[in-house]
Amino acid sequence: DAKTTQPNSMESNEEEPVHLPCNHSTISGTDYIHWYRQLPSQGPEYVIHGLTSNVNNRMASLAIAEDRKSSTLILHRATLRDAAVYYCIQGGGSNYKLTFGKGTLLTVNP
Amino acid sequence: NAGVTQTPKFQVLKTGQSMTLQCAQDMNHEYMSWYRQDPGMGLRLIHYSVGAGITDQGEVPNGYNVSRSTTEDFPLRLLSAAPSQTSVYFCASSYSGGHSTGELFFGEGSRLTVL
Repeated sequence: DAKTTQPNSMESNEEEPVHLPCNHSTISGTDYIHWYRQLPSQGPEYVIHGLTSNVNNRMASLAIAEDRKSSTLILHRATLRDAAVYYCIQGGGSNYKLTFGKGTLLTVNP
Repeated sequence: NAGVTQTPKFQVLKTGQSMTLQCAQDMNHEYMSWYRQDPGMGLRLIHYSVGAGITDQGEVPNGYNVSRSTTEDFPLRLLSAAPSQTSVYFCASSYSGGHSTGELFFGEGSRLTVL
């Protein structure tokens, strides 16, 4: 199954931008890149997804490399409520198996 | 609009017992799936379904059965529980399984302990 690579943890300060990287070197042409986050004791929550072009929504921006082998989730102004585990996932094109890795634990300092 | 509802939220079983984790969604989603999450780990896909009558295996299907007789419901059955199945189980659904309009909606989780 498709796997992505993310740093185990990252730290940020409140109100500063955060760039969360993800490598997905085995991505196929039809796979989307998805990002979810999980707060303690909760189910994962959708953040954003994209195929080739950069994407923006109210929560975050997704920057996708031209070769699609990597992407970056951008939180423009981190808040304490953004502290969570962030998962980068490839899949969902012809592949219905959305596989979550261990994700990146984001700590936001006040 | 309740979203994805999982029951029970907590369950303790003895080794060898059977049980069913229920999952229901009221969003008319075609795609439903079950994940398990162990401490310090990400989510691992157990089984998924792309529509009523259609199911398929994920990464860790052994020891679990599923069926999809209606669009709304996707129960997960443990036929003979083992301590290795102690975990938090999440059900998720989406309109299309992660395609261009796909967004997975997760339930709150069911915490299962097998003694």
